[in-house]
Amino acid sequence: EAGVAQSPRYKIIEKRQSVAFWCNPISGHATLYWYQQILGQGPKLLIQFQNNGVVDDSQLPKDRFSAERLKGVDSTLKIQPAKLEDSAVYLCASSATGTSFFGPGTRLTVL
Amino acid sequence: AQSVSQHNHHVILSEAASLELGCNYSYGGTVNLFWYVQYPGQHLQLLLKYFSGDPLVKGIKGFEAEFIKSKFSFNLRKPSVQWSDTAEYFCAVNADYNTDKLIFGTGTRLQVFP
Repeated sequence: EAGVAQSPRYKIIEKRQSVAFWCNPISGHATLYWYQQILGQGPKLLIQFQNNGVVDDSQLPKDRFSAERLKGVDSTLKIQPAKLEDSAVYLCASSATGTSFFGPGTRLTVL
Repeated sequence: AQSVSQHNHHVILSEAASLELGCNYSYGGTVNLFWYVQYPGQHLQLLLKYFSGDPLVKGIKGFEAEFIKSKFSFNLRKPSVQWSDTAEYFCAVNADYNTDKLIFGTGTRLQVFP
Protein backbone atom coordinates (compact mmCIF):
# COMPACT_ATOMS: atom_id res chain seq x y z
CA GLU A 1 0.00 0.00 0.00
CA ALA A 2 1.43 3.36 -1.00
CA GLY A 3 1.90 5.85 1.80
CA VAL A 4 1.16 9.55 2.01
CA ALA A 5 3.06 11.45 -0.67
CA GLN A 6 4.26 15.02 -0.32
CA SER A 7 6.19 17.41 -2.50
CA PRO A 8 8.49 19.17 -2.56
CA ARG A 9 10.66 17.69 0.18
CA TYR A 10 12.60 20.90 0.70
CA LYS A 11 11.91 24.53 -0.10
CA ILE A 12 13.91 27.66 0.59
CA ILE A 13 12.30 31.05 0.03
CA GLU A 14 12.75 34.61 1.14
CA LYS A 15 10.30 36.30 3.48
CA ARG A 16 7.27 37.80 1.80
CA GLN A 17 7.43 35.25 -1.02
CA SER A 18 4.70 32.67 -1.51
CA VAL A 19 5.01 28.88 -1.43
CA ALA A 20 2.75 25.89 -1.97
CA PHE A 21 2.94 22.32 -0.75
CA TRP A 22 1.18 19.31 -2.21
CA CYS A 23 -0.11 16.15 -0.54
CA ASN A 24 -1.63 12.95 -1.84
CA PRO A 25 -3.13 10.82 0.94
CA ILE A 26 -3.38 7.07 1.18
CA SER A 27 -5.98 5.82 -1.28
CA GLY A 28 -9.43 5.65 0.27
CA HIS A 29 -8.63 7.83 3.26
CA ALA A 30 -11.36 10.43 3.57
CA THR A 31 -9.65 12.47 6.26
CA LEU A 32 -6.59 14.59 5.52
CA TYR A 33 -4.59 16.78 7.89
CA TRP A 34 -1.87 19.39 7.62
CA TYR A 35 0.42 19.74 10.63
CA GLN A 36 3.22 22.23 11.25
CA GLN A 37 6.29 21.00 13.12
CA ILE A 38 8.66 23.69 14.30
CA LEU A 39 12.15 22.56 15.27
CA GLY A 40 12.17 21.16 18.79
CA GLN A 41 8.40 20.86 19.02
CA GLY A 42 5.78 18.26 18.25
CA PRO A 43 3.51 18.58 15.22
CA LYS A 44 0.59 20.99 15.59
CA LEU A 45 -2.59 20.69 13.58
CA LEU A 46 -3.22 23.44 11.06
CA ILE A 47 -6.27 22.13 9.22
CA GLN A 48 -8.34 18.99 8.83
CA PHE A 49 -10.42 17.96 5.81
CA GLN A 50 -13.13 15.33 5.60
CA ASN A 51 -13.41 14.55 1.90
CA ASN A 52 -13.38 18.03 0.35
CA GLY A 53 -14.84 19.88 3.35
CA VAL A 54 -12.99 21.62 6.16
CA VAL A 55 -13.62 20.08 9.59
CA ASP A 56 -11.24 22.15 11.67
CA ASP A 57 -9.15 25.15 10.68
CA SER A 58 -9.13 26.89 14.02
CA GLN A 59 -5.32 26.86 14.24
CA LEU A 60 -4.70 27.98 10.66
CA PRO A 61 -3.34 31.56 10.38
CA LYS A 62 -5.87 32.50 7.76
CA ASP A 63 -4.33 35.87 6.98
CA ARG A 64 -1.46 34.09 5.25
CA PHE A 65 -2.22 30.37 5.09
CA SER A 66 -4.78 28.70 2.88
CA ALA A 67 -5.52 25.11 2.00
CA GLU A 68 -7.82 23.28 -0.33
CA ARG A 69 -8.86 19.75 -1.22
CA LEU A 70 -11.08 20.39 -4.18
CA LYS A 71 -11.76 16.85 -5.35
CA GLY A 72 -11.56 15.19 -1.98
CA VAL A 73 -8.26 13.48 -2.74
CA ASP A 74 -5.05 15.48 -2.91
CA SER A 75 -4.56 18.77 -1.13
CA THR A 76 -2.52 21.95 -1.41
CA LEU A 77 -1.34 24.17 1.44
CA LYS A 78 -0.23 27.68 0.55
CA ILE A 79 1.57 30.40 2.47
CA GLN A 80 1.41 33.94 1.15
CA PRO A 81 3.35 35.95 2.19
CA ALA A 82 5.79 33.86 4.19
CA LYS A 83 7.35 35.06 7.43
CA LEU A 84 10.56 33.96 9.10
CA GLU A 85 8.58 32.14 11.79
CA ASP A 86 6.96 29.92 9.15
CA SER A 87 10.22 27.98 8.90
CA ALA A 88 9.15 24.46 9.84
CA VAL A 89 8.36 21.03 8.50
CA TYR A 90 4.86 20.78 7.07
CA LEU A 91 3.43 17.33 7.50
CA CYS A 92 0.47 15.86 5.73
CA ALA A 93 -1.37 12.92 7.25
CA SER A 94 -4.41 10.86 6.39
CA SER A 95 -6.60 8.54 8.44
CA ALA A 96 -9.42 6.10 7.96
CA THR A 97 -10.01 4.06 11.13
CA GLY A 98 -8.70 6.23 13.92
CA THR A 99 -5.03 5.98 13.07
CA SER A 100 -3.14 8.71 11.24
CA PHE A 101 -0.38 7.97 8.75
CA PHE A 102 2.13 10.66 7.95
CA GLY A 103 3.97 11.69 4.84
CA PRO A 104 7.68 12.59 4.74
CA GLY A 105 6.98 16.30 5.14
CA THR A 106 8.20 19.42 3.41
CA ARG A 107 10.98 21.29 5.16
CA LEU A 108 10.47 25.02 4.59
CA THR A 109 13.22 27.53 5.28
CA VAL A 110 12.29 31.20 5.12
CA LEU A 111 15.27 33.55 4.85
CA ALA B 1 -6.80 23.16 26.88
CA GLN B 2 -5.72 19.63 26.17
CA SER B 3 -1.99 19.04 26.35
CA VAL B 4 0.56 16.26 26.24
CA SER B 5 3.76 16.35 28.29
CA GLN B 6 6.90 14.42 27.59
CA HIS B 7 9.26 15.06 30.45
CA ASN B 8 12.37 13.52 28.95
CA HIS B 9 13.65 15.78 26.19
CA HIS B 10 16.91 13.95 25.52
CA VAL B 11 17.83 10.46 26.67
CA ILE B 12 21.22 8.85 26.15
CA LEU B 13 21.63 5.12 26.71
CA SER B 14 24.05 2.34 25.99
CA GLU B 15 22.93 -0.68 24.02
CA ALA B 16 21.09 -3.29 26.11
CA ALA B 17 19.96 -0.70 28.65
CA SER B 18 16.28 -0.52 29.50
CA LEU B 19 14.18 2.39 28.32
CA GLU B 20 11.17 4.17 29.74
CA LEU B 21 9.88 7.41 28.23
CA GLY B 22 7.22 9.31 30.10
CA CYS B 23 4.01 10.71 28.61
CA ASN B 24 1.22 12.45 30.50
CA TYR B 25 -1.89 14.06 29.09
CA SER B 26 -4.39 16.53 30.48
CA TYR B 27 -7.81 15.29 29.48
CA GLY B 28 -10.25 13.59 31.79
CA GLY B 29 -12.43 11.84 29.26
CA THR B 30 -11.92 8.87 27.00
CA VAL B 31 -8.78 9.09 24.91
CA ASN B 32 -6.96 7.24 22.19
CA LEU B 33 -3.21 7.19 22.76
CA PHE B 34 -0.32 6.81 20.36
CA TRP B 35 3.44 6.65 20.21
CA TYR B 36 5.09 7.65 16.96
CA VAL B 37 8.77 7.33 16.11
CA GLN B 38 10.85 9.35 13.68
CA TYR B 39 14.14 7.75 12.67
CA PRO B 40 16.81 10.08 11.28
CA GLY B 41 15.84 11.23 7.81
CA GLN B 42 12.55 9.35 7.85
CA HIS B 43 8.92 10.24 8.37
CA LEU B 44 6.78 9.72 11.45
CA GLN B 45 5.83 6.09 11.87
CA LEU B 46 3.30 4.54 14.22
CA LEU B 47 4.99 2.57 16.99
CA LEU B 48 1.90 1.51 18.91
CA LYS B 49 -1.56 2.66 19.91
CA TYR B 50 -4.16 2.21 22.62
CA PHE B 51 -7.88 2.52 21.96
CA SER B 52 -9.42 0.26 24.61
CA GLY B 53 -9.02 -3.09 26.35
CA ASP B 54 -5.76 -4.38 27.82
CA PRO B 55 -3.89 -1.29 29.08
CA LEU B 56 -0.56 -2.90 28.21
CA VAL B 57 -0.09 -2.63 24.47
CA LYS B 58 2.71 -4.06 22.41
CA GLY B 59 4.06 -2.41 19.31
CA ILE B 60 6.70 -2.98 16.72
CA LYS B 61 10.38 -3.63 17.40
CA GLY B 62 9.83 -4.84 20.97
CA PHE B 63 8.27 -1.64 22.30
CA GLU B 64 5.35 -1.62 24.70
CA ALA B 65 3.36 1.02 26.52
CA GLU B 66 1.10 0.98 29.54
CA PHE B 67 -1.99 3.12 29.88
CA ILE B 68 -2.60 4.10 33.50
CA LYS B 69 -5.86 6.01 33.55
CA SER B 70 -5.53 7.18 37.16
CA LYS B 71 -2.20 8.79 36.36
CA PHE B 72 -3.18 10.11 32.90
CA SER B 73 -0.04 8.41 31.66
CA PHE B 74 1.02 6.31 28.67
CA ASN B 75 4.70 5.53 29.18
CA LEU B 76 6.75 3.80 26.53
CA ARG B 77 9.11 0.97 27.47
CA LYS B 78 11.64 -1.34 25.94
CA PRO B 79 13.65 -3.81 28.04
CA SER B 80 16.81 -3.69 25.93
CA VAL B 81 17.51 -0.92 23.43
CA GLN B 82 19.58 -1.23 20.29
CA TRP B 83 21.65 1.32 18.40
CA SER B 84 18.96 1.25 15.70
CA ASP B 85 16.44 2.65 18.21
CA THR B 86 18.15 6.02 17.97
CA ALA B 87 15.29 8.31 16.94
CA GLU B 88 12.82 10.90 18.16
CA TYR B 89 9.76 9.58 19.93
CA PHE B 90 6.44 11.43 20.08
CA CYS B 91 3.48 10.72 22.31
CA ALA B 92 0.11 11.81 20.90
CA VAL B 93 -3.47 11.90 22.12
CA ASN B 94 -6.79 11.96 20.34
CA ALA B 95 -9.51 13.16 22.68
CA ASP B 96 -12.14 14.10 20.11
CA TYR B 97 -14.18 11.21 18.79
CA ASN B 98 -15.61 13.42 16.07
CA THR B 99 -12.19 13.55 14.45
CA ASP B 100 -8.89 11.71 14.55
CA LYS B 101 -6.86 14.86 15.08
CA LEU B 102 -3.84 14.45 17.34
CA ILE B 103 -2.25 16.55 20.04
CA PHE B 104 1.45 15.80 20.24
CA GLY B 105 4.01 16.10 22.98
CA THR B 106 7.27 17.90 22.28
CA GLY B 107 9.12 14.67 21.64
CA THR B 108 12.02 12.81 23.24
CA ARG B 109 15.27 12.43 21.42
CA LEU B 110 16.84 9.03 22.16
CA GLN B 111 20.47 8.36 21.42
CA VAL B 112 21.76 4.82 21.85
CA PHE B 113 25.49 4.22 21.83
CA PRO B 114 27.06 0.83 21.03
